Amino acid sequence: QLVLTQSPSASASLGASVKLTCTLSSGHSSYAIAWHQQQPEKGPRYLMKLNSDGSHSKGDGIPDRFSGSSSGAERYLTISSLQSEDEADYYCQTWGTGIQFGGGTKLTVL
Amino acid sequence: EVQLVESGGGLVQPGGSLRLSCAASGFTFSSYEMNWVRQAPGKGLEWVSYISSSGSTIYYADSVKGRFTISRDNAKNSLYLQMNSLRAEDTAVYYCARFSYGGNPAADWGQGTLVTVSS
Repeated sequence: QLVLTQSPSASASLGASVKLTCTLSSGHSSYAIAWHQQQPEKGPRYLMKLNSDGSHSKGDGIPDRFSGSSSGAERYLTISSLQSEDEADYYCQTWGTGIQFGGGTKLTVL
Repeated sequence: EVQLVESGGGLVQPGGSLRLSCAASGFTFSSYEMNWVRQAPGKGLEWVSYISSSGSTIYYADSVKGRFTISRDNAKNSLYLQMNSLRAEDTAVYYCARFSYGGNPAADWGQGTLVTVSS
């Protein structure tokens, strides 16, 4: 069964960079995922689709500070030059066998 | 600009029913698959239901199968979720969402509508 695993929390300082991880379960390392951001008290917002080769397609208006990369079963979201508005929950999603979401990572900007 | 606007949420007693609506604009609604996704208070995102562009293919999460019914009216650019036999654990914000990850990937979310199941 396809499962997406995310660390529950992460933190980094204002202006620094952070790399969030989404891990695909065994046997699913070729799957693409999508990253979504959910700021406090808001609905989710699509950030990008991330393929297994690391190529990615960002949503309209998503800053260049947001980028994606892949290695094996790991899918990464890197946010550089962290800003206060980046403090949010980040979810990965796949659609291989039904639609699945990871548990989300709560990012705190210090 | 793509807009998805949900409505129909509210307070309902256990065992009751509610019908959610999602009004879509800014894209050719009839060409896209649509979904309902929910988020219980303080919890993560949970996919609820999927409907194909024509309405001919439908899927449900096990947690709502047999109780919820997804439908769409392409002439009205609208998506619906009929929720019956509601339980306390159905309390959540319900989002209408378009996921399109083909040649030109995109995804859009509504602002959500809160459903509270409580006596």
